[in-house]
Amino acid sequence: EIVLTQSPGTLSLSPGERATLSCRASQNINTYLVWYQHKPGQAPRLLIHGASTRATGIPDRFSGSGSGTDFTLTINRLDPEDFAVYYCQHYAASPPVTFGGGTKVEIK
Amino acid sequence: QVQLHESGPGLVKPSETLSLTCTVSSINNYYWSWIRQSPGQGLEWIGNIYYTGGPNYNPSLKSRVTISVDTSSNRISLELNSVTAADTALYYCARSKGFRGNVYFDYWGQGILVTVSA
Repeated sequence: EIVLTQSPGTLSLSPGERATLSCRASQNINTYLVWYQHKPGQAPRLLIHGASTRATGIPDRFSGSGSGTDFTLTINRLDPEDFAVYYCQHYAASPPVTFGGGTKVEIK
Repeated sequence: QVQLHESGPGLVKPSETLSLTCTVSSINNYYWSWIRQSPGQGLEWIGNIYYTGGPNYNPSLKSRVTISVDTSSNRISLELNSVTAADTALYYCARSKGFRGNVYFDYWGQGILVTVSA
């Protein structure tokens, strides 16, 4: 099973700042990685698939990068609605698909 | 507009079977997954099924899980037997993109909380 490690666990930032979230895979997953945003009481929302492709309707302040084992989600100019928990997930071969432990982006 | 809605009992007794249903707006041409999140824990993929059948399960739960589909009513069902307190979680249904067990999730339901307790 592929293990995804997200860091940091919590990121305290102010609106307008840039958030940089990391996801590291225990083995090579090429670009079979997605990012989700999750707010309490809401359905998780797909942000990025294929490591760097924004999902439909996702603002361009969200960007993903990386391949292999190291991936980054960058949120430029944090909007108040962006404070949430972010999860990465792989969908490479050898199921099951697994999720990272999450990074909480909180208001400083 | 893709809509998913999970339903079922919110309380299940230990050793019994947890049964949930996901009703979707349109079931055709996609895989449909169940995912859960235990209190204070991470997300865990339970398994999925293509709209024509053929489930795929997480090996860690495979011995206890059955996922089925009813295209006539646009419903996907989950059964998890011999439950324990460790199965207490928020259970999500999600539309899946990819192939068989190698999928990601582009639309999710709101989730349903299931508590296992006597």
